[in-house]
Amino acid sequence: AQTVTQSQPEMSVQEAETVTLSCTYDTSESDYYLFWYKQPPSRQMILVIRQEAYKQQNATENRFSVNFQKAAKSFSLKISDSQLGDAAMYFCAYRSAWVIGANSKLTFGKGITLSVRP
Amino acid sequence: GAGVSQTPSNKVTEKGKYVELRCDPISGHTALYWYRQSLGQGPEFLIYFQGTGAADDSGLPNDRFFAVRPEGSVSTLKIQRTERGDSAVYLCASGGGADTQYFGPGTRLTVL
Repeated sequence: AQTVTQSQPEMSVQEAETVTLSCTYDTSESDYYLFWYKQPPSRQMILVIRQEAYKQQNATENRFSVNFQKAAKSFSLKISDSQLGDAAMYFCAYRSAWVIGANSKLTFGKGITLSVRP
Repeated sequence: GAGVSQTPSNKVTEKGKYVELRCDPISGHTALYWYRQSLGQGPEFLIYFQGTGAADDSGLPNDRFFAVRPEGSVSTLKIQRTERGDSAVYLCASGGGADTQYFGPGTRLTVL
């Protein structure tokens, strides 16, 4: 079974600064997807970024980028130019790629609470 | 609709009662998932539908929980004889592509 570990329960960043959120995972599969989701107090889980394991290049979405280290099974999220609206819980999630013709469940970490100081 | 919707937003019930939680997925999405999120934890998988059938119900904790999706669109999660330990946020997600799930705002269930 796959596991996702987020060992930092909380982090804080100054507005306009950069912060990195850590995530490690364990799997015996060679092909899979990794995700970062944001969950504000409204509870809505919002997809931030996704990475396909077979791609060497790190994914980037505007101010959000990942550092994907497949051999180390590490998948960290970097938020640049932090904004007050970035304050939320962030979840790292894993999904197997080996599902024929159907989607597959997500396995989540425990999450990290990010606060942004004005 | 523009996104996944869930009703009710909040549900308070008494121990032993029956509850139904509803999920309305994004139009055209064939895959639908239910997750449960306890306080301070990440969401945990409950059940996955592909069309009308439950393709994977391995996450349902016991036989008090079951879900249906009779017409391949709206889904209802049903919990019988609720217990205090069932208190959590129940999240629904739908997916139409290969790998991305879109979540609803969840239903917060409180069992007194």
